[in-house]
Amino acid sequence: EVQLVESGGGFVQSGGSLRLSCVASGFTFSNYEMNWIRQAPGRGLEWVSYISTSGSIMYYADSVKGRFTISRDNAKNSLYLQMNSLRADDTAVYYCARGSPFDPWGQGTLVTVSS
Amino acid sequence: DIQMTQSPSSLFASVGDRVTITCRASQSLGSYLNWYQQKPGKAPKLLIYALSTLQSGVPSRFSGSGSGTDFTLTISSLQPEDFATYYCQQSYSTLYTFGQGTKLEIK
Repeated sequence: EVQLVESGGGFVQSGGSLRLSCVASGFTFSNYEMNWIRQAPGRGLEWVSYISTSGSIMYYADSVKGRFTISRDNAKNSLYLQMNSLRADDTAVYYCARGSPFDPWGQGTLVTVSS
Repeated sequence: DIQMTQSPSSLFASVGDRVTITCRASQSLGSYLNWYQQKPGKAPKLLIYALSTLQSGVPSRFSGSGSGTDFTLTISSLQPEDFATYYCQQSYSTLYTFGQGTKLEIK
């Protein structure tokens, strides 16, 4: 079964840092581009970041550029999101998703940033 | 960035109704348009990709159409399990963007 499982969410103060992880199983992780997508409470979906299969190409939404860094470890079937200088408006459930179109999605991990 | 505008934001309908949700892009997307369904407390699920291709397991009452900048998701006969929020998403640019969502509720 193809599966993505996120972890690393939690409560952090404004200005703090957090690192999210996403572990993949059931498919050849190194063959797929990956993405992070977030959803603030009661709001819609916002794409956050993309990484190529090798990890050499990354893209970011303007809202996180310069603060967030996406990376991957193909040997560990893992995707990461390093989040620095966190702000209250970064509070959201963060999903990892495979490929484009996005399928499947993980179950999400909640990040709460207190101001 | 490509802006995506969905309408309506919310929609009340009954079981058996035919429902259409529209999505407009700020530039032409070709066939790079996808639709997702999200139920409360759950991760979104891919419904339709590349404008009109149903993801495996998606019932045939769902269909996607459109061209250029204007796209539609149609549910031919609403079932109780279809009440959810639907999002369009463009994959023409790798700076991916979603519509704001359409919440489909029971009348």
